[in-house]
Amino acid sequence: KAGVTQTPRYLIKTRGQQVTLSCSPISGHRSVSWYQQTPGQGLQFLFEYFSETQRNKGNFPGRFSGRQFSNSRSEMNVSTLELGDSALYLCASSGDRGTLSGANVLTFGAGSRLTVL
Amino acid sequence: TQLLEQSPQFLSIQEGENLTVYCNSSSVFSSLQWYRQEPGEGPVLLVTVVTGGEVKKLKRLTFQFGDARKDSSLHITAAQTGDTGLYLCAGAPDSWGKLQFGAGTQVVVTP
Repeated sequence: KAGVTQTPRYLIKTRGQQVTLSCSPISGHRSVSWYQQTPGQGLQFLFEYFSETQRNKGNFPGRFSGRQFSNSRSEMNVSTLELGDSALYLCASSGDRGTLSGANVLTFGAGSRLTVL
Repeated sequence: TQLLEQSPQFLSIQEGENLTVYCNSSSVFSSLQWYRQEPGEGPVLLVTVVTGGEVKKLKRLTFQFGDARKDSSLHITAAQTGDTGLYLCAGAPDSWGKLQFGAGTQVVVTP
């Protein structure tokens, strides 16, 4: 089955702009999580959506937001971009959380690399 | 501050050598996972351990979960150049909790 697809793969923005990233999970997966990866901080959890509802949220400012659609596809948005937002943004999907079979088993996409100038 | 501390941060070895990567925490996890990430790709799950003291083997890779479920190790025997990558450990306090990642160990295996 198809893996997790993230678009775009690369993008360059300037400070103050906003950006929207898209993630299509594995078919049948209802949970989508977003992570920010930087060399200094590693993978930092942004938020998780399950059945169109935000279920968990990390410690990021309100400029970072997300949503999930009825087909489980998810988008994240970053407004008023800052230089420090340059990072690889990773999306991961998983099956039903809270069950032994699906708990926390993430399949990642290849990421969207954002550069803010 | 990382909830999960990985050591070493960087490891460079030659083909055929053995290596061990550590993942430590003061917190207890219901499960702990290891991922490998190659340049330009997302992390790929290698293994999940759920029972304290559990040992899992995946070909030349051996994963161990500490008895108290606070730490884990990854041992690679006779490393190959294909083992090069960023190794990440990740844990969650329970099945509903958000998965926390360590900062990773960059492993480079040279011919």
